[in-house]
Amino acid sequence: EDKVVQSPLSLVVHEGDTVTLNCSYEVTNFRSLLWYKQEKKAPTFLFMLTSSGIEKKSGRLSSILDKKELFSILNITATQTGDSAVYLCAVVGGYDKIIFGKGTRLHILP
Amino acid sequence: KAGVTQTPRYLIKTRGQQVTLSCSPISGHRSVSWYQQTPGQGLQFLFEYFSETQRNKGNFPGRFSGRQFSNSRSEMNVSTLELGDSALYLCASSLFGSSGANVLTFGAGSRLTVL
Repeated sequence: EDKVVQSPLSLVVHEGDTVTLNCSYEVTNFRSLLWYKQEKKAPTFLFMLTSSGIEKKSGRLSSILDKKELFSILNITATQTGDSAVYLCAVVGGYDKIIFGKGTRLHILP
Repeated sequence: KAGVTQTPRYLIKTRGQQVTLSCSPISGHRSVSWYQQTPGQGLQFLFEYFSETQRNKGNFPGRFSGRQFSNSRSEMNVSTLELGDSALYLCASSLFGSSGANVLTFGAGSRLTVL
C-alpha cells in the first residue's frame, strides 16, 4: 500500500534555529513530491520536486529529493515565528493519485 | 484571480443527517479534489473529478459521494452522518488534474461538526 511518512510529527525550536523536516515515501509509479505549508486553513504550495539531487530554494526554505532512497527533506534556516505551521508532504503516484503525509507541526518560540 | 471557494465554511449537523459541501475551483481549472483532514489521520484523499468524471477515489465508504458540473464546480455529499465524520473538508483545484506537472490550490475548507 502506498504511504508517505513524515518526521518528526512535531517540533519546537527557538527563533533563529535551523530545522530539517523529513518525508519518506513508498509510492507506486512516483511522479513528483510536493511540500505545502498549512497555517490556519488552506495549505499553501511551497515546492514541487521531480528530480533527484536538484535543490529547490525559496528564501530561507529549501528542499531536495532523493529518489534512490525515497525521501525528501525541507530545510528552514534562521527560523521566524511566522514559520510556525504544519508542513505537509505529498507524493503524486500512479493514476495521478496524491498521497499526503500526516504533517510536521512546527512551533517557533520567540 | 479568485481562488478556490468553499461553502459553507462552518456547519453543525446531528448524527443521521446528510450534508452537501460546495467547491468552486479557480477559473480554468478542470480538476477538483476533495480531502478530509482530522487531527489523528491528517489529510485523506476522498475523490478527484476531472471534466465531470470521477478519476480517482480514496478508501471511504459509499456514504461519501461527489459530482462535478459542466462549469467545473463540484459538490460532495455525506449521508447518514456519524460522529467520526467531524473534520475539515478541503477542496483543491488544478489546471489539468492531479498530475506531476500541476500543483493543487486549496480552498479554506468547510469545518463540519457532527453532534
